[in-house]
Amino acid sequence: AAGVIQSPRHLIKEKRETATLKCYPIPRHDTVYWYQQGPGQDPQFLISFYEKMQSDKGSIPDRFSAQQFSDYHSELNMSSLELGDSALYFCASSLVSANSPLHFGNGTRLTVT
Amino acid sequence: KNEVEQSPQNLTAQEGEFITINCSYSVGISALHWLQQHPGGGIVSLFMLSSGKKKHGRLIATINIQEKHSSLHITASHPRDSAVYICAVEVDSNYQLIWGAGTKLIIKP
Repeated sequence: AAGVIQSPRHLIKEKRETATLKCYPIPRHDTVYWYQQGPGQDPQFLISFYEKMQSDKGSIPDRFSAQQFSDYHSELNMSSLELGDSALYFCASSLVSANSPLHFGNGTRLTVT
Repeated sequence: KNEVEQSPQNLTAQEGEFITINCSYSVGISALHWLQQHPGGGIVSLFMLSSGKKKHGRLIATINIQEKHSSLHITASHPRDSAVYICAVEVDSNYQLIWGAGTKLIIKP
């Protein structure tokens, strides 16, 4: 069965650069969640989308933005990157109407140098 | 006090041993997840529970809603089970997860 696909798997950027992370949810899932996990840290909720609209917002910096497109894939845009943005970024999807479990992608490892 | 507590934090066992990881929580939840995180960070969702017990292969997860407690069991443990196991709860259907700190499991051959 298709899983949540995240791309790229690894990304290396320099300070002050921008990065775009992509998440392709499981087909027919209507909700996407983004999480950030710093080294040795618990994953932190960033933002979620339901039916292409932002539904919840967590500890997402103002330098980051995200959106969900008509095909339900989502992109996390990160600007003015800082060393502290180095982390694993996870995306998860679910089908809210069916109260389905969260399905996680394998994550994108972002390294800011 | 953390809203989701896992124990033990670290566990080393011999291949073949029966493994139990515990999770207690203090908030009202709509569901509890057990996830497996491998070195490199990739996370796999193992179970989602809102009541009772689920079994998948050598993995068994139980939840007691009244006691706000869940356990993950691994039977006939194998070195490939070595990973961090994370308990996470969904708080009353808003789908935000509160994560436990994880249990690092090492199974020695």
